[in-house]
Amino acid sequence: DAKTTQPNSMESNEEEPVHLPCNHSTISGTDYIHWYRQLPSQGPEYVIHGLTSNVNNRMASLAIAEDRKSSTLILHRATLRDAAVYYCILRGLMVRDDKIIFGKGTRLHILP
Amino acid sequence: EAGVVQSPRYKIIEKKQPVAFWCNPISGHNTLYWYRQNLGQGPELLIRYENEEAVDDSQLPKDRFSAERLKGVDSTLKIQPAELGDSAVYLCASSRGGETQYFGPGTRLLVL
Repeated sequence: DAKTTQPNSMESNEEEPVHLPCNHSTISGTDYIHWYRQLPSQGPEYVIHGLTSNVNNRMASLAIAEDRKSSTLILHRATLRDAAVYYCILRGLMVRDDKIIFGKGTRLHILP
Repeated sequence: EAGVVQSPRYKIIEKKQPVAFWCNPISGHNTLYWYRQNLGQGPELLIRYENEEAVDDSQLPKDRFSAERLKGVDSTLKIQPAELGDSAVYLCASSRGGETQYFGPGTRLLVL
């Protein structure tokens, strides 16, 4: 299974942008890059996903490297509510064989 | 739209006792997942259902764990007998055809 590598933790100041990196050097051509986050005492929640092109939604932006071996989740203006563990996950195209593998993720601390 | 419902939210039992967790997925979601999350780790898939069929139970410890989804809607995960190492958060998630997974709040189990 393709794996991802993320920093264990990061800090950012409130109201500043945050760039969360993820390396996935063994990604296959049909793997989608998904990001989930887990707030304290809650289950993970979907943030964003993409295949090749950069993606934007109301929560965040996803920047994908041209060779697809890395990606960056961008929170444009962090708030205290964004303090969470962020997981970068690869998901295959074939839903039937889909197996999501969560790593340890990046724990994001937001400083007021 | 109601999210994934899990009960109980917390459970404390003594080792060797049985325990059961219940999950009601989002209406219309045919795929249901059970995950276990140990402290400081990401969730690990235990079992995945497509309607009533368990399509991936390779990570389910079958000597003491069992799961069912009889009518293809809600599901129960059981541990009998529980061991100290089973202390964890048990998460249920659902999706429509394997697309974005939506997680419940989890059941926090403590085995004494």
